[in-house]
Amino acid sequence: GAGVSQSPSNKVTEKGKDVELRCDPISGHTALYWYRQSLGQGLEFLIYFQGNSAPDKSGLPSDRFSAERTGGSVSTLTIQRTQQEDSAVYLCASSWGRVNQPQHFGDGTRLSIL
Amino acid sequence: AQTVTQSQPEMSVQEAETVTLSCTYDTSENNYYLFWYKQPPSRQMILVIRQEAYKQQNATENRFSVNFQKAAKSFSLKISDSQLGDTAMYFCAFMKLTGTASKLTFGTGTRLQVTL
Repeated sequence: GAGVSQSPSNKVTEKGKDVELRCDPISGHTALYWYRQSLGQGLEFLIYFQGNSAPDKSGLPSDRFSAERTGGSVSTLTIQRTQQEDSAVYLCASSWGRVNQPQHFGDGTRLSIL
Repeated sequence: AQTVTQSQPEMSVQEAETVTLSCTYDTSENNYYLFWYKQPPSRQMILVIRQEAYKQQNATENRFSVNFQKAAKSFSLKISDSQLGDTAMYFCAFMKLTGTASKLTFGTGTRLQVTL
């Protein structure tokens, strides 16, 4: 079946612009996660949605970052007034939401801020 | 807060040989999961193997096995009969055991190169 889909695959934008990154999780998955992978670093947790519960936003680095998940499916990560340090690969993952179920990752969006 | 440390930024192994990647972690939790993920150049993170902390038996998936030492907070990955397709970044990750799934905490990764 279809895996986690992210778009765009690559995004280049100018400093100060807003960007939106999209994630389509695996159908039926109730949990959705966003991570950021900076060059040479591991993955850094950003935000986590689980069903209808309030999202865990504890990893968002600043108030320029926000995310929403509409209808319990598609999610959009928005970065306002982008800075050069926002350049990274943004990875989305989804799972069935139970602790023994693994997270399935998309191919990520490579964001480059000029 | 949990931390995961991978002290080997890069490793190399010859095809058909065995290699072990190290991972240590720090947590005050008693119940948790540990994972190894593989990230080839395609960027997609692929689950290699996972271990429940309450299980004493080390997990095994074909050529991949772990050495889980809970008291030492160590979780190494052994790859036997290495293949060229094993070339990738390998990430160790920790998940706290709650009522539902939760976020993963990752190490900084080990880049593995399998050579002829």
